[in-house]
Amino acid sequence: NAGVTQTPKFRVLKTGQSMTLLCAQDMNHEYMYWYRQDPGMGLRLIHYSVGEGTTAKGEVPDGYNVSRLKKQNFLLGLESAAPSQTSVYFCASSQIRGALYGYTFGSGTRLTVV
Amino acid sequence: AQSVTQLDSQVPVFEEAPVELRCNYSSSVSVYLFWYVQYPNQGLQLLLKYLSGSTLVKSINGFEAEFNKSQTSFHLRKPSVHISDTAEYFCAVSRDQGAQKLVFGQGTRLTINP
Repeated sequence: NAGVTQTPKFRVLKTGQSMTLLCAQDMNHEYMYWYRQDPGMGLRLIHYSVGEGTTAKGEVPDGYNVSRLKKQNFLLGLESAAPSQTSVYFCASSQIRGALYGYTFGSGTRLTVV
Repeated sequence: AQSVTQLDSQVPVFEEAPVELRCNYSSSVSVYLFWYVQYPNQGLQLLLKYLSGSTLVKSINGFEAEFNKSQTSFHLRKPSVHISDTAEYFCAVSRDQGAQKLVFGQGTRLTINP
């Protein structure tokens, strides 16, 4: 089925470890986003991309890096994981002027840092 | 910076009762407004949106929201809820002219009791 696929779905990391979350979309969308969801705080934008080879910081970018080498993929990296990064991470994609047409979200990655 | 406030973190109602989920935003300029729904263990899905024109917008499953510029509100309503409406609901706003990204509220968990 067309859509946004996130891998992995679950992960437990030790403090200081690194990992990469992969987001892949097959809808030829220009825009892609990484959000984190925490109880009582809604979704907060980490980084986003408005096209292949571009990235921009969102509301809470510290401790994360991203890359968009291919249009269909958007990678989120944690170089040195901290317990404060325990969260559910959602990737989304959209057409140009994405907010107007609605985002397509992945099913999320639940990350626990111990 | 714009912000979105959802006044209720949890709303319990009985099946077939009416419900209103409140959303207020802060912005002095034109905005685009959205409601997204998140069913358990899933990503978010667009429920309805206001871009321009009629201030009352409706979804296919009976929800409606009214844009009130003077009160900077975009409350979500349904006259009679069903068990299947149990979910978390997020209000979101996009203000930038490119409509590149959304700012989400904290979410309201709607619980339907039989």
